[in-house]
Amino acid sequence: DVVLTQSPLSLPVTLGQPASISCRSSQSLVHSDGNTYFIWFQQRPGQSPRRLIYKVSNRDSGVPDRFSGSGSGTDFTLKISRVEAEDVGVYYCMQHTRWPYTFGQGTKLEIK
Amino acid sequence: EVQLVESGGGLIQPGASLRLSCAASGFTVSSNYMSWARQAPGKGLESVSIIDSGGNTNYADSVKGRFTVSRDNSKNTVYLQMNSLRAEDTAVYYCVRLGGADWGQGTVVTVSS
Repeated sequence: DVVLTQSPLSLPVTLGQPASISCRSSQSLVHSDGNTYFIWFQQRPGQSPRRLIYKVSNRDSGVPDRFSGSGSGTDFTLKISRVEAEDVGVYYCMQHTRWPYTFGQGTKLEIK
Repeated sequence: EVQLVESGGGLIQPGASLRLSCAASGFTVSSNYMSWARQAPGKGLESVSIIDSGGNTNYADSVKGRFTVSRDNSKNTVYLQMNSLRAEDTAVYYCVRLGGADWGQGTVVTVSS
């Protein structure tokens, strides 16, 4: 199975400051069709997961432009340019290039 | 608007069976690949099963032979039949569209005597 390793697992951030989360894959996530099926999603306390970024760097509709995704192959990053209070929650990376789809351990973002 | 509504969870004894349902709206399940994921208390997320637009299915090793995913196109609903349930199947079960594009609210399955 593809193992996704996230870091850090805990991320205290001051409001208005940037934040960055890394996700490293044990295998290349490039699909045979040329796409990289890698996403980032957010889970706010008490809510269902919500996708933020798909295919590495594409922002979902309604997601603030302070969120951005980058990376390729086995190394991926989620950046928040200026953290706001509503960004508190757990952030996960996930790959759906190969079955079984796998997830990172989650990064808990909190406000300092 | 895409909506996924899971139901069917509950408290069940080890060895028993349960069927989860995921009623979809805003899109056609038969044209999408749909999966089930679960999150055990205090643990990470795990993909459980998938059914693609062609009706092909796949399962996590941990549930292979015990769980069956299916869909009813007329009801636009996906199902997860869970047999021979174990304590380690205790989790919140989510219905997921297209590898994470949309998630349901989750349904809680607790396997305990």
